[in-house]
Amino acid sequence: QKEVEQNSGPLSVPEGAIASLNCTYSDRVSQSFFWYRQYSGKSPELIMSIYSNGDKEDGRFTAQLNKASQYVSLLIRDSQPSDSATYLCAVIMNSGGYQKVTFGTGTKLQVIP
Amino acid sequence: KAGVTQTPRYLIKTRGQQVTLSCSPISGHRSVSWYQQTPGQGLQFLFEYFSETQRNKGNFPGRFSGRQFSNSRSEMNVSTLELGDSALYLCASSLEPRDSEAFFGQGTRLTVV
Repeated sequence: QKEVEQNSGPLSVPEGAIASLNCTYSDRVSQSFFWYRQYSGKSPELIMSIYSNGDKEDGRFTAQLNKASQYVSLLIRDSQPSDSATYLCAVIMNSGGYQKVTFGTGTKLQVIP
Repeated sequence: KAGVTQTPRYLIKTRGQQVTLSCSPISGHRSVSWYQQTPGQGLQFLFEYFSETQRNKGNFPGRFSGRQFSNSRSEMNVSTLELGDSALYLCASSLEPRDSEAFFGQGTRLTVV
């Protein structure tokens, strides 16, 4: 089992719809979770962080965390063509006395005009 | 203010050689993390430096090493290069370790032939 799993996609949604991106993780004691957006040929940029169970909203983005189910998701409301990118889920895990950031392989989102 | 600067942007090396990559963080940021990104493995955490000390590390062989200077600039070194080391190497800076606001540089594209 991968430590952080995401569906690679592509996930295609029409413009104006809600895009739902999902991520599961293996380390039950993880406490910190991040969503990054990466446009093709560009470096990742942080869009959301979440640490507590429940929802966290920032503009059109909502991150949802359920630690019992080891599940974190990102909702994008009113999707725009400019949201088309790969979305990376990142989890901080403990490994051998160190904390390491583990990324999923990303979900490619395509917003169709 | 200036973003994270990585040099060089592109590099071609031969198997067995060594390479040094440089990362200058955003002014005032004291934490620098390094990542390797490949199409097959995604984004993988190499190590994190803060105040000239390695704070965290990922699961990479000892051929991968780094250091941080008193001005927070960081270098990453890979010795005895292998074909599989061909990747995009990204660094990210933040004010403190595990700070939610981490900013990535544009990366160094390393090709090993």
